[in-house]
Amino acid sequence: AQSVAQPEDQVNVAEGNPLTVKCTYSVSGNPYLFWYVQYPNRGLQFLLKYITGDNLVKGSYGFEAEFNKSQTSFHLKKPSALVSDSALYFCAVRDTGGSYIPTFGRGTSLIVHP
Amino acid sequence: EPEVTQTPSHQVTQMGQEVILRCVPISNHLYFYWYRQILGQKVEFLVSFYNNEISEKSEIFDDQFSVERPDGSNFTLKIRSTKLEDSAMYFCASGDRDPDFGPGTRLTVT
Repeated sequence: AQSVAQPEDQVNVAEGNPLTVKCTYSVSGNPYLFWYVQYPNRGLQFLLKYITGDNLVKGSYGFEAEFNKSQTSFHLKKPSALVSDSALYFCAVRDTGGSYIPTFGRGTSLIVHP
Repeated sequence: EPEVTQTPSHQVTQMGQEVILRCVPISNHLYFYWYRQILGQKVEFLVSFYNNEISEKSEIFDDQFSVERPDGSNFTLKIRSTKLEDSAMYFCASGDRDPDFGPGTRLTVT
């Protein structure tokens, strides 16, 4: 079985400050991990994914995420937040030994204040 | 850049009515998916479709749901007799492996 948890419903950060959106996962085997972003009235847009290799993954719009196997986490980060980063962020996981169907978290609303 | 498109963006229907949600996947993709998100809850997998048949489905995807690829471009989700609890955002996705998502259709059942 595979599952993912996003412990924060909402994250508030001031523009220019670093941001972190948390995600932890559970899989039987090895994980493929994803972050998606949803802007208002838009679909889920792919940000980045971890498959293997370097634990720090860089993605779109200056975002990055760090895979931590011991803590089973894949937190999304950005060094300097923009107001335009305000959106709903979803973490997803799938087991490399399982189906191609990713399991999503419930999402975290990121609000960046000017 | 090609995108998955969905119509309508918002559908309001009465309980017990049938609805069809439409999707146009990205043209060279082989896998098609439907997900839904009840307001404030997780994005939940409903069904995947490959080679003109269902490849996987979740427990949510019961007999009231069906999917179809009626022609070479469209991918539809039909809900035969809608219930209040079917109110959700429905996302279509397509991909070779990892899905690209459409903007969603908000279904409101009254």
